[in-house]
Amino acid sequence: DQQVKQNSPSLSVQEGRISILNCDYTNSMFDYFLWYKKYPAEGPTFLISISSIKDKNEDGRFTVFLNKSAKHLSLHIVPSQPGDSAVYFCAASGAGGTSYGKLTFGQGTILTVHP
Amino acid sequence: EPEVTQTPSHQVTQMGQEVILRCVPISNHLYFYWYRQILGQKVEFLVSFYNNEISEKSEIFDDQFSVERPDGSNFTLKIRSTKLEDSAMYFCASSVVVLGSYEQYFGPGTRLTVT
Repeated sequence: DQQVKQNSPSLSVQEGRISILNCDYTNSMFDYFLWYKKYPAEGPTFLISISSIKDKNEDGRFTVFLNKSAKHLSLHIVPSQPGDSAVYFCAASGAGGTSYGKLTFGQGTILTVHP
Repeated sequence: EPEVTQTPSHQVTQMGQEVILRCVPISNHLYFYWYRQILGQKVEFLVSFYNNEISEKSEIFDDQFSVERPDGSNFTLKIRSTKLEDSAMYFCASSVVVLGSYEQYFGPGTRLTVT
């Protein structure tokens, strides 16, 4: 199942710089997208989401951009901090009707922020 | 801040045995989910549950699996006869689901080891 893909297994960034994590999807029925952060031995923590009716959503240091025509979304973290080091998962949902669930996850990208 | 809790954190069982994984979703949430993550693989959707019945299930969720909300707070996943390939992290999640907002909040997970 490759409906959601994160093609970069890892990303290394200097503290204070921008981190850009990318995600591609193939299913045009997806209309709600989420980013989660995960530390080892913990569950995924919700970070930020975006509906397909928008192309940008911002929350503090985190901004998600959605390009529907390219079926691509990205998460920008500015400025990056060492505490941001974790695995970041992109997830997609086909909201509406009874499908309020079934998040389809990407493989994850390991972000390392160096002091 | 309200959170999803799961017990036990780690369960070891022998092949063929029944296991019950327990979850307490966030109290005002109405939708409940189970996901699993086999080591080195993606987080995979198993089942969603709303209004005391299954809303959606994946092909992984076969007759060996069942879910139940036995009271007003717990949500359980039962695996009737465990197989080696059931070894994974199992995550419970819950969501409130209001128009335009479909975030799911995850518990810390139960690591199931089948020997």
